[in-house]
Amino acid sequence: NAGVTQTPKFQVLKTGQSMTLQCAQDMNHNSMYWYRQDPGMGLRLIYYSASEGTTDKGEVPNGYNVSRLNKREFSLRLESAAPSQTSVYFCASSEATGRTEAFFGQGTRLTVV
Amino acid sequence: KQEVTQIPAALSVPEGENLVLNCSFTDSAIYNLQWFRQDPGKGLTSLLLIQSSQREQTSGRLNASLDKSSGRSTLYIAASQPGDSATYLCAVYSNYQLIWGAGTKLIIKP
Repeated sequence: NAGVTQTPKFQVLKTGQSMTLQCAQDMNHNSMYWYRQDPGMGLRLIYYSASEGTTDKGEVPNGYNVSRLNKREFSLRLESAAPSQTSVYFCASSEATGRTEAFFGQGTRLTVV
Repeated sequence: KQEVTQIPAALSVPEGENLVLNCSFTDSAIYNLQWFRQDPGKGLTSLLLIQSSQREQTSGRLNASLDKSSGRSTLYIAASQPGDSATYLCAVYSNYQLIWGAGTKLIIKP
C-alpha cells in the first residue's frame, strides 16, 4: 500500500549543482503537486499537474522545472541549486485538482551549501 | 489573496484533556478544507476533509467544523493522548490550489 513515494529522502548539494526529485503514486490519481515547506511557514506550491501532459506554475516556481512523465510519475528538477532552495520538498497527489483529498509523500530534505 | 492562519502556534496540555485547534481563512470562496497531521521528519497524514457544503466531519476522537461565512474551522480532539503529539495543519482548497496555515504544534503531556 505505497501511496505516494518520493526519492531521495535526504540530499546535500553544492551551490550550482543540479538534481531531480522523483515522485510516483499508485492510486491512479489525475493530479500531482510539488510543495516546499520552510520553518514557520505553511507549505507553498511550486508546480502542479492537473492531468497527464499538463503542468502549471504555483506560488514559487522560480528555479524549478517539472515533468509529468506519465500518469504515475511527476519529477521536480533544480537546474542550478541555490542556498535559498534548502527546504523540505513534498510531493502529493489527488484524484482531481483542488477538490479532492490530497495524499502526501514522506518528503525530501534538501540542503544546499 | 487567500490567507490561512492557525492560532496558537504551539499548545501543551495534559493527557486526557479535550482541546480545540483553530484555523481561519480570509476568503470564504473555498471548495473544501482539509486537516492534516505531521510528525517530526515525516510526511503529512490527512485527518479530515470537509466539503464547502458541509458543517462538520468526524473521525474517531476527531471532529472538524467549518463555518464558511466567518472564515473559520476548528479541530476538536477528545480525550487527548501522548500519541496525539504532532503538528496539525489546515489547508483550504481555493482557486484550484491548497493554501496552507503554518500549523499548530501540539504536545500532550503524560
